Amino acid sequence: GAGVSQTPSNKVTEKGKYVELRCDPISGHTALYWYRQSLGQGPEFLIYFQGTGAADDSGLPNDRFFAVRPEGSVSTLKIQRTERGDSAVYLCASSASDSNYGYTFGSGTRLTVV
Amino acid sequence: GNSVTQMEGPVTLSEEAFLTINCTYTATGYPSLFWYVQYPGEGLQLLLKATKADDKGSNKGFEATYRKETTSFHLEKGSVQVSDSAVYFCALSDHNNNDMRFGAGTRLTVKP
Repeated sequence: GAGVSQTPSNKVTEKGKYVELRCDPISGHTALYWYRQSLGQGPEFLIYFQGTGAADDSGLPNDRFFAVRPEGSVSTLKIQRTERGDSAVYLCASSASDSNYGYTFGSGTRLTVV
Repeated sequence: GNSVTQMEGPVTLSEEAFLTINCTYTATGYPSLFWYVQYPGEGLQLLLKATKADDKGSNKGFEATYRKETTSFHLEKGSVQVSDSAVYFCALSDHNNNDMRFGAGTRLTVKP
């Protein structure tokens, strides 16, 4: 597609529920990144994919968070047993090679855990 | 580890005023430096970048020069417009890593 697409744009869920957030990167972009942005903060790195594999998942806060990219294109960020502290905007970005030339970001998914 | 510190906001200016938003970085290697902008209700957009020392990135009247001696990448614009009102993020990317580190963001409001 023309840009990075994230769905849903908004998600409200109850504490303890499971959620999936989807990212559809720019066609042909091999690198895909997930970030989390809390109110008044800059984006915080979660995980980076190069192709199908997670090249760096050091930013995932705990084992409730998991992400996949099975065919090297669309990625899904999965959060189990959601907590109120997980409320944030989850951003996806993609780039053609590596991060040194900048990313293209999606508009994000605003997750609210009530 | 790598990190970015940018000027705290909010910054409020009148139209046609000069803008500076300070950004300094800490990195173990030779990072690339970026400014991203987030307009109200929109996603992050790359504004400009510089990939090596003394490079100047520029776009839409904004400029920033990669200063290795002062580890800085300050954003400047000579004459701001109301449409420049947004949140600006300084960021760096190290060639040895693949995650981009962002500053906390500076909210700019330009009044007519």
